[in-house]
Order: sequence, then C-alpha cells, then structure tokens
Amino acid sequence: DTGVSQNPRHKITKRGQNVTFRCDPISEHNRLYWYRQTLGQGPEFLTYFQNEAQLEKSRLLSDRFSAERPKGSFSTLEIQRTEQGDSAMYLCASSLTGIVNNEQFFGPGTRLTVL
Amino acid sequence: ELKVEQNPLFLSMQEGKNYTIYCNYSTTSDRLYWYRQDPGKSLESLFVLLSNGAVKQEGRLMASLDTKARLSTLHITAAVHDLSATYFCAVERLIQGAQKLVFGQGTRLTINP
Repeated sequence: DTGVSQNPRHKITKRGQNVTFRCDPISEHNRLYWYRQTLGQGPEFLTYFQNEAQLEKSRLLSDRFSAERPKGSFSTLEIQRTEQGDSAMYLCASSLTGIVNNEQFFGPGTRLTVL
Repeated sequence: ELKVEQNPLFLSMQEGKNYTIYCNYSTTSDRLYWYRQDPGKSLESLFVLLSNGAVKQEGRLMASLDTKARLSTLHITAAVHDLSATYFCAVERLIQGAQKLVFGQGTRLTINP
C-alpha cells in the first residue's frame, strides 16, 4: 500500500453514461498525476496537477474527459458519454516537490468497463 | 517525442536462470524508473536511477543506467517463481518542473519451476 487511494476500484457502465473516479494522494504530496493503462500496454499520461492547478493535459484527454483538484488535495476524473474505447485501468499517482528522486507513488487504480 | 522501447516483451524462463530486460529510449533523460506490476494490480516501484552509470540492486534484481547509450537494463539473477510479473521501465520527461513518465510496453516475465 503506497498511501494513494482510488475509488471505486471497479466500475462497469453502459455506453453513453457518465462516470467519475476519485483519487486521494499521499497527504503531503502536492503533485498528482492521472494515467490510463489499456490491456497489455504501459500506462499513458493523461494529466497533471501541481496543487490545485492543472498544468498539463495529454492529447489523449478528449473533451469528454475532465479532471479537477479543487483544494489541492483529492482529485476527480470524470468521463462523459463513455465509449467502449474508454475501457481501461485509470491510475493515479502523487509525488512531492523537492524530493531528489521525484518518485511517483501509484494508487491501486480504477478499472473501467464500458459495455 | 520521447519513445521508450523494452525488449523482450515476453520472457519465459526457468527458475535458477539469469536473464536481462532491456529498455531503450529516444531522447535525453537523466532519470529512469523500473516498476513491477502483478496481474490486476497497480505499479510497485522497484528502482529509481538518477544518473549515468547508476547501478542499484535489490535481492535478485539489479538495474543499471547508461544515459549516453539511452539504455537501462534490469538483470535477474537465479530467478524464482515469485518474480513472475510484468516489468515496466519509465523515462522522465520534465513538464513545467515536474516529471511526466513515459512508459515502455512492459516485459511479461514468467518463471517456470
């Protein structure tokens, strides 16, 4: 257990529905990242927050995706009008500014299945 | 665009044998990470390699980094079944002062008794 938690762990939804995932980083970590991992592939970067500011968004993050980190603590990732291609594991990671190795600690992930 | 390639992608080996996983990347970076992932689980950090020539060892695993060759290796010594997992290397790309990790495709390692 790295100290990063994600909820829910599993989500099954029908195409066209909206879903929201939550990530709680390690409490003192100011940086938070979202990645997506499809079966048999490595994780792909989606977006990054430093405190409450969203500083980078991948081209993978279409207009149907939105992420927030309102108070610089937990973050949410919402997918609107889900498509079957959104089925994946969504991973959250956090890190702390000023640490030499900038290591990211990953949560257990939320596995999304879109039927 | 930074690309990270691992090989082999699949590796089946017997217990007691040695083997090496290779990680090549396309643009300069001084930091490389190795992670382990068990089926259905998240990523477990194994090694953080911060500079050229860095070598780290933990149990039967040893990782090294050659930034000039843009190559990292993960060496497995006298493999045991418990090491069966998928191993990812990830290279750091700095964005506005923080790192975005670019992952390889992963090497699925199966160790047979």
